[in-house]
Amino acid sequence: NAGVTQTPKFQVLKTGQSMTLQCAQDMNHEYMSWYRQDPGMGLRLIHYSVGAGITDQGEVPNGYNVSRSTTEDFPLRLLSAAPSQTSVYFCASSYPQETQYFGPGTRLLVL
Amino acid sequence: AQKVTQAQTEISVVEKEDVTLDCVYETRDTTYYLFWYKQPPSGELVFLIRRNSFDEQNEISGRYSWNFQKSTSSFNFTITASQVVDSAVYFCALSEAVEYGNKLVFGAGTILRVKS
Repeated sequence: NAGVTQTPKFQVLKTGQSMTLQCAQDMNHEYMSWYRQDPGMGLRLIHYSVGAGITDQGEVPNGYNVSRSTTEDFPLRLLSAAPSQTSVYFCASSYPQETQYFGPGTRLLVL
Repeated sequence: AQKVTQAQTEISVVEKEDVTLDCVYETRDTTYYLFWYKQPPSGELVFLIRRNSFDEQNEISGRYSWNFQKSTSSFNFTITASQVVDSAVYFCALSEAVEYGNKLVFGAGTILRVKS
């Protein structure tokens, strides 16, 4: 099992550009989520999904879109990047009510 | 709203010292889970432990031990005989139960530096 994979590992964007952060898992987990990590603030939940076709907002959803067309994939879209979205992004997955396992993270710099 | 507080921003110890990382949480749920994750300098998040709200037994795993006390809403983590490889950021987290999943609320993290 590859576990949770994320691409790219690092990305630089200019303000206003769009991009998609990819997340995939091969453990058949129903639950997937996106967090962002900023210095001194821990990780904060952006969006989550409890299964294909079902998504919901977390604590900091503004500026981000998600969709879940398959069990395996949960991409995070930035439609118009802003410097405030400079962060490290982590994707996680789990079975319902079980421990979440995290991907290796994507470092995003918005200039 | 749920909240996790890790009051210790950074701790420095000398190798072989014992160190305790504090975690205090707030929740109105009667059923919840508490977690500790380790983030080494390489950046990945490593799961250490999960504890449910009905199990207050302390747990020991090698040099690691955890003390869960509902009376004080605390879930502290102790490393015995610390080693340089323990240097990392440690996060305490609390899960808010939602149908078919769980939403994690993280503390700000404690940076542990172990010097040789």
